[in-house]
Amino acid sequence: AQTVTQSQPEMSVQEAETVTLSCTYDTSESDYYLFWYKQPPSRQMILVIRQEAYKQQNATENRFSVNFQKAAKSFSLKISDSQLGDAAMYFCAYLGSGGSNYKLTFGKGTLLTVNP
Amino acid sequence: GAVVSQHPSWVICKSGTSVKIECRSLDFQATTMFWYRQFPKQSLMLMATSNEGSKATYEQGVEKDKFLINHASLTLSTLTVTSAHPEDSSFYICSALGTSADTQYFGPGTRLTVL
Repeated sequence: AQTVTQSQPEMSVQEAETVTLSCTYDTSESDYYLFWYKQPPSRQMILVIRQEAYKQQNATENRFSVNFQKAAKSFSLKISDSQLGDAAMYFCAYLGSGGSNYKLTFGKGTLLTVNP
Repeated sequence: GAVVSQHPSWVICKSGTSVKIECRSLDFQATTMFWYRQFPKQSLMLMATSNEGSKATYEQGVEKDKFLINHASLTLSTLTVTSAHPEDSSFYICSALGTSADTQYFGPGTRLTVL
């Protein structure tokens, strides 16, 4: 079974600085998808960024970018120019491409605090 | 695009009563929806996969007779918590599988409190 590990239960960053959240996963599949979701205090899950494993290019969405290392099974999220609104719980998630019935496997989350 | 709504956003009920939670995909059709439960400061726990026009698939340990799921249309799935008890109090979140079938979009969640 696939597993997703987020080794940082909590992180903090100063406003306008850059922070990197770590995520590693374990899988025997060669084709899959990886996601970062953000859950602010409102508890609405928001898709931050999505990466297809077959793409070598790292996904970016404005201030959010990933460092996808397929061989190392690592998928870290970099937040640049951190803003107060970035404070949230961040979940890394994995979706297999075959036989997974589209079910996501989530990590335990990293709580990000942004200090003014 | 890809907006999912949930209703109600919060509900308080007495022990022994049943509660229905609705999950709607507002701007896309979703043949597959998911129901999660989330305890405070924890990750999401998948309860079941809801497929339009067929029976839901429940995860191990989830009582299908207690958590009834109906996915009668391409835009609506419902979760009914039957004979609710205080231990059923939790935050319930639904998601809908987008048209590309590789991304889930989440509803805002429903906080259930059973007295």
